[in-house]
Amino acid sequence: NAGVTQTPKFRVLKTGQSMTLLCAQDMNHEYMYWYRQDPGMGLRLIHYSVGEGTTAKGEVPDGYNVSRLKKQNFLLGLESAAPSQTSVYFCASSYSIATATNTEAFFGQGTRLTVV
Amino acid sequence: QKEVEQDPGPLSVPEGAIVSLNCTYSNSAFQYFMWYRQYSRKGPELLMYTYSSGNKEDGRFTAQVDKSSKYISLFIRDSQPSDSATYLCAMSAYRLGTSYDKVIFGPGTSLSVIP
Repeated sequence: NAGVTQTPKFRVLKTGQSMTLLCAQDMNHEYMYWYRQDPGMGLRLIHYSVGEGTTAKGEVPDGYNVSRLKKQNFLLGLESAAPSQTSVYFCASSYSIATATNTEAFFGQGTRLTVV
Repeated sequence: QKEVEQDPGPLSVPEGAIVSLNCTYSNSAFQYFMWYRQYSRKGPELLMYTYSSGNKEDGRFTAQVDKSSKYISLFIRDSQPSDSATYLCAMSAYRLGTSYDKVIFGPGTSLSVIP
């Protein structure tokens, strides 16, 4: 059972470089999310998707773009990396968000990104 | 004021102790309350989930919600070294007819259970 898989697990970027983080889930979930986790800040939602072909902004979307071309994949792009984007990035997925009993989100293991 | 506040710890207790982890929040619309456990260098995993006020028990874990005080707690009885992790509270305000209800996470409390 793979669950939610993130690629890569670690990355160091120079300021201004671009990169794409890949998230793949094998649970046939409709909803997928990208969070960033910073010390003392908790998890903050960057972008999310409620289904294939859809994306929406979360709390901290600036500097990031996303795409959901296939139901199982959710890509997070950084077009021009900045040191403020140094963080641990988590992808998550859930079956549904619109019902009270299905609010569990399954998380990947995270991508540690450092921008120098 | 942050929507969800949580003492970051670190909290260190001896094995077998009762642990109390707490969060306060400011948004009275929150109805769904969750506790996630996150081991070092891993993603969070859902531990407990409660709706509105009251208690919920699952083995050694008890989640408590007091909406009048805007305060939630997680109690761990007979704590074990394997409970050493960061505990994140999370909450949301579901709106009927909306496609997404935002989940707000607390910053997490780091717990160490010493053998």
